[in-house]
Amino acid sequence: EADIYQTPRYLVIGTGKKITLECSQTMGHDKMYWYQQDPGMELHLIHYSYGVNSTEKGDLSSESTVSRIRTEHFPLTLESARPSHTSQYLCASSGQGWTEAFFGQGTRLTVV
Amino acid sequence: GNSVTQMEGPVTLSEEAFLTINCTYTATGYPSLFWYVQYPGEGLQLLLKATKADDKGSNKGFEATYRKETTSFHLEKGSVQVSDSAVYFCARTSGTYKYIFGTGTRLKVLA
Repeated sequence: EADIYQTPRYLVIGTGKKITLECSQTMGHDKMYWYQQDPGMELHLIHYSYGVNSTEKGDLSSESTVSRIRTEHFPLTLESARPSHTSQYLCASSGQGWTEAFFGQGTRLTVV
Repeated sequence: GNSVTQMEGPVTLSEEAFLTINCTYTATGYPSLFWYVQYPGEGLQLLLKATKADDKGSNKGFEATYRKETTSFHLEKGSVQVSDSAVYFCARTSGTYKYIFGTGTRLKVLA
């Protein structure tokens, strides 16, 4: 059983609001990831981190920002939410070597 | 380039039918390969993996063999159940930090 948690599971928020999506893992993994999943199912990497104080932009440009101050915590922030940010956001982590990624249950964000 | 290509869905099968979902990859080197499953409203769960050529990953009746010569990692199950209805993703490692996912294949199993 993977120990990676995302909160909230569902969020409906108005345009212009600032939001933070939380992601925590208790496995001591050094690598963490944020994916955006569109309704067509495809996963798009928007941010990743390979350790504390390291963050990188992913393959899909995103207006969100991330931070990695602690190993276990990798929050994603949107300063001003827009309807185009409506999506499913998935957090993942992985350990040393060629190991698999473990995923959280996701946050379904709706911006109205 | 570096990519993962899997068959488009949806795939609709009757219960107890044989399942194959094709997956091929391009890579320089020898990536690890994975199949993930996603149930509605959930994140991805690892279904099985293989880390080197000729490895066979298996779990819950699903199997996939790492074929270097055909750069493939096809998912199979001998007898599907209604509870197998989900979206299946093929994936590979990329470099040291990343994963590349296929576009997903939706499976629907009818009773």
